[in-house]
Amino acid sequence: DGGITQSPKYLFRKEGQNVTLSCEQNLNHDAMYWYRQDPGQGLRLIYYSQIVNDFQKGDIAEGYSVSREKKESFPLTVTSAQKNPTAFYLCASSPRDSSYNEQFFGPGTRLTVL
Amino acid sequence: GENVEQHPSTLSVQEGDSAVIKCTYSDSASNYFPWYKQELGKGPQLIIDIRSNVGEKKDQRIAVTLNKTAKHFSLHITETQPEDSAVYFCAASIKGGYQKVTFGTGTKLQVIP
Repeated sequence: DGGITQSPKYLFRKEGQNVTLSCEQNLNHDAMYWYRQDPGQGLRLIYYSQIVNDFQKGDIAEGYSVSREKKESFPLTVTSAQKNPTAFYLCASSPRDSSYNEQFFGPGTRLTVL
Repeated sequence: GENVEQHPSTLSVQEGDSAVIKCTYSDSASNYFPWYKQELGKGPQLIIDIRSNVGEKKDQRIAVTLNKTAKHFSLHITETQPEDSAVYFCAASIKGGYQKVTFGTGTKLQVIP
């Protein structure tokens, strides 16, 4: 089955610790994205990558970092500099050659800072 | 940049009734308008989209309309069923290359059996 997987589904972190969220896709999509979702709010873009070894900051990149060493993988690290990291994190991908920005989402990771 | 507003934030309907969710956008260059359904604890799933060269699109019980002049678009769900209960997001984007997708704040739809 083609799709996007995120792991883990739930993640608990102590304050001051970095944590990495995994996102893998087998859709052969070039572009990948990370969004943050808070209760009652829309999706806010953290980082995106259009091609391997390249990525750009989104609207709320502070306190986050990413890498894109492989086409299939786009891990997100939530660093201790992120002041309010408790949220639901969503990864998405889209085919770069699409005329329209059709994005496909993974199941999400819920991060809780204790 | 683009701004997408979505109303209402919550909507309760009786099973079998229709539900309508409305969105407005600010950037007249936007030409792709997807709608996503998000069930509790899951990622959003694309349910229907509309491109600016058409005014309406239907897929079984779901339809979307677009008014480019007024810069608003709507999702219509007819004959609602309990499994339609979820959060629905509208979004707007611009054709070509990478263009940011701007999402609305979501509508929580509850279908009462």
